[in-house]
Amino acid sequence: QVQLHQWGAGLLKPSETLALTCTVSGGPFSGLYLTWIRQPPGKGLEWIGEVTYDGSVNVKSSLKSRVTISVDTSKNQFSLKVNSVTAADTAIYYCARGGHSFIATWGQGTLVTVSS
Amino acid sequence: SSELTQGPAVSVALGQTVRITCQGDSLRSDYASWYQQKAGQAPILVFFGKDNRPSGIPDRFSASSSGTISFLTITGAQAEDEADFYCSCRDNSHNHPVVFGGGTRVTVL
Repeated sequence: QVQLHQWGAGLLKPSETLALTCTVSGGPFSGLYLTWIRQPPGKGLEWIGEVTYDGSVNVKSSLKSRVTISVDTSKNQFSLKVNSVTAADTAIYYCARGGHSFIATWGQGTLVTVSS
Repeated sequence: SSELTQGPAVSVALGQTVRITCQGDSLRSDYASWYQQKAGQAPILVFFGKDNRPSGIPDRFSASSSGTISFLTITGAQAEDEADFYCSCRDNSHNHPVVFGGGTRVTVL
């Protein structure tokens, strides 16, 4: 059974960098879409970006200037960095894995709070 | 277009049928996937593609589509189905990002 386990700092100050990492276990790492999604408290889901099956990285246009998504296939890990965070970046962040048009497996989620 | 529109909330009597809608131009070119999110939990995939229900998802969950509208139907709703439901698909704009609907809260009475 595929599992995703994610970790990273949960409390940041404005202007700092958010950094999260996700490990995939129990199933293939490559050949699928590895995705980051966030959910502000009490609100809906927002797609942040992905690493596609061929290694391409796609990021939501409005976040492109601040977001870096990378992958380490040797460790079955992929990572998210968001620079210059503000209170608007406060959210539960999920790593996820799936196909072109669906997300089959989600991480447990990490609440990231940005506060001075 | 990069938006998917869902109604905010619906209620259904126990054992009855409820249909959730998701509307957006991108649904002309891609099937919606549907996610159930219970309070305090990560979402789970309940339906995707033309006719795909993940292993472990009850067959009371089904989906269909017509033009720019997709539907998730729960036939014989159970108390444990109470949750927020989100639709999603690939946007038909440049880079084809994933877009989510705003979510529909389903209350089972």
